[in-house]
Amino acid sequence: DGGITQSPKYLFRKEGQNVTLSCEQNLNHDAMYWYRQDPGQGLRLIYYSQIVNDFQKGDIAEGYSVSREKKESFPLTVTSAQKNPTAFYLCASFRGNGYTFGSGTRLTVV
Amino acid sequence: SQKIEQNSEALNIQEGKTATLTCNYTNYSPAYLQWYRQDPGRGPVFLLLIRENEKEKRKERLKVTFDTTLKQSLFHITASQPADSATYLCATTRNRDDKIIFGKGTRLHILP
Repeated sequence: DGGITQSPKYLFRKEGQNVTLSCEQNLNHDAMYWYRQDPGQGLRLIYYSQIVNDFQKGDIAEGYSVSREKKESFPLTVTSAQKNPTAFYLCASFRGNGYTFGSGTRLTVV
Repeated sequence: SQKIEQNSEALNIQEGKTATLTCNYTNYSPAYLQWYRQDPGRGPVFLLLIRENEKEKRKERLKVTFDTTLKQSLFHITASQPADSATYLCATTRNRDDKIIFGKGTRLHILP
């Protein structure tokens, strides 16, 4: 079945560390997105990519970086510059009527 | 600024009744409005999309309405079941290529 695979499901980061969250899709969708979700908050857009080798900042891009070297892959790096990285991270792709989301990665700073 | 608002309080509905959730938007004229279901610890799942020129859209026990005058969408689940308990998110976009704005979601509890 086609879908979006995010890994790992849980990730623990030490202070000052960079970590990379994986997002892979086999839906052949051009557009991919990264959202952050905090308790009681809506989804906030971090970065998005409409096409390979191109990406745009979302509303809360500071402290994050992405790459889009392949259509299927859109990894997100949470850098040490992100002061409050503990959150639930969701990757999505879009074509047609609605988003297809992955199952998320829960990142915790220890 | 553009806002999309959903009831922040949880909604408790007796099994078998119709659950109705509300989504309001301000300073915005969306061309599309979407509804998603999210279970704890999972990603949202797309349910329905309704266009600005559509009054109503149905899918099985789900019904969505879109009132551009009131700037509101209503999401109905008829003959509700405990398995319908989840958080429901609405989202809007001006066009298919535009950024989508999500509401914070309404938590729905269907009581057996």
